[in-house]
Amino acid sequence: NAGVTQTPKFQVLKTGQSMTLQCAQDMNHEYMSWYRQDPGMGLRLIHYSVGAGITDQGEVPNGYNVSRSTTEDFPLRLLSAAPSQTSVYFCASSPHGGSADTQYFGPGTRLTVL
Amino acid sequence: RKEVEQDPGPFNVPEGATVAFNCTYSNSASQSFFWYRQDCRKEPKLLMSVYSSGNEDGRFTAQLNRASQYISLLIRDSKLSDSATYLCVVINTGFQKLVFGTGTRLLVSP
Repeated sequence: NAGVTQTPKFQVLKTGQSMTLQCAQDMNHEYMSWYRQDPGMGLRLIHYSVGAGITDQGEVPNGYNVSRSTTEDFPLRLLSAAPSQTSVYFCASSPHGGSADTQYFGPGTRLTVL
Repeated sequence: RKEVEQDPGPFNVPEGATVAFNCTYSNSASQSFFWYRQDCRKEPKLLMSVYSSGNEDGRFTAQLNRASQYISLLIRDSKLSDSATYLCVVINTGFQKLVFGTGTRLLVSP
């Protein structure tokens, strides 16, 4: 199993550009989530999904969209990039949800918005 | 006040030392607790869950104090490979939402 994969590893955008961060898992996990990690802030939940076709907002959803058309994939879309979205983005999955389940994280995408 | 608070460190210790980290949480309804480890520029990985009775995994011991709302991680006989950032994670009732602390950085030197 590849586990959780993320692409790209690095990305530089200009303000106003849009892009999609890809996340895929091959463990048949129901629960997937996106976090951003900023210095001094810890990981913060952006969006999450408890299964295909179901998504919901986390702590910091503004400026991001998600969809979950399959169990395997959970892309994160930046609609109009802003410098405040410069961060490291981690996708995670777990079998059933956050409660008492190990979260498996992808390797991260380092995004810079100029 | 942050929901989960950790001393950012860094904690600089020599090999073989014992070191302890604390993490406090503000939501008394929190139900599950974990320690994750994050190496520099890598993703977080589960180190251990924290149970009410306390639990041990080799050189690592985790404890929970619900009355004072903190969890702790004790590392005995520190190794160079223990150098990392240790993240405290709390899950609150009702929704499966993980709340992460900002992490405590540990540096183990020869």
